[in-house]
Amino acid sequence: DQQVKQNSPSLSVQEGRISILNCDYTNSMFDYFLWYKKYPAEGPTFLISISSIKDKNEDGRFTVFLNKSAKHLSLHIVPSQPGDSAVYFCAASGGIFDDYKLSFGAGTTVTVRA
Amino acid sequence: DAMVIQNPRYQVTQFGKPVTLSCSQTLNHNVMYWYQQKSSQAPKLLFHYYDKDFNNEADTPDNFQSRRPNTSFCFLDIRSPGLGDAAMYLCATSSTGISPNIQYFGAGTRLSVL
Repeated sequence: DQQVKQNSPSLSVQEGRISILNCDYTNSMFDYFLWYKKYPAEGPTFLISISSIKDKNEDGRFTVFLNKSAKHLSLHIVPSQPGDSAVYFCAASGGIFDDYKLSFGAGTTVTVRA
Repeated sequence: DAMVIQNPRYQVTQFGKPVTLSCSQTLNHNVMYWYQQKSSQAPKLLFHYYDKDFNNEADTPDNFQSRRPNTSFCFLDIRSPGLGDAAMYLCATSSTGISPNIQYFGAGTRLSVL
């Protein structure tokens, strides 16, 4: 059963505007949430993370917001740049066992238009 | 640069013909993972090695096997590939004891089954 879901397979945004990517999860035991970015012909690379005890983490143009009560997190990219065009995966880890394993969403393809 | 390298990048095999995919790492991480990813789907964990200990996911078919002869190398063996095994195979590594447990990915091997 999919524990992490990204319900928007794609997102198109104009350069300079905000990109908002959403992710929902079902397992309340997750204690870390991570975002990965993937360019074509490359492996996913780590972008930013957030602990379940926080509601916001910011790193430059990237901010992650976590709403535990709704089991929802979002990634904001401001301002969006052409180099941000990629597939973004939401992932979660934690629980009683195997807390180093990640559960992934299916990804959201972001296209930044010039 | 320390990295995760997968070979080959593209592999074509015949239905039922055994195939081996390889992964090497220079990060000296103690955990190595193998994921299967089909188009527009989340990466699916097949199994992982925690040091020398092999950990199979419950729903990984017996057709998939793995070997880790040393810290740096890990192999994925598909004993009798079927058409449904055509996918991207991703290798990842991580070091336990660090939170969040960030996984580092190779570029993947795309397997085609004829």
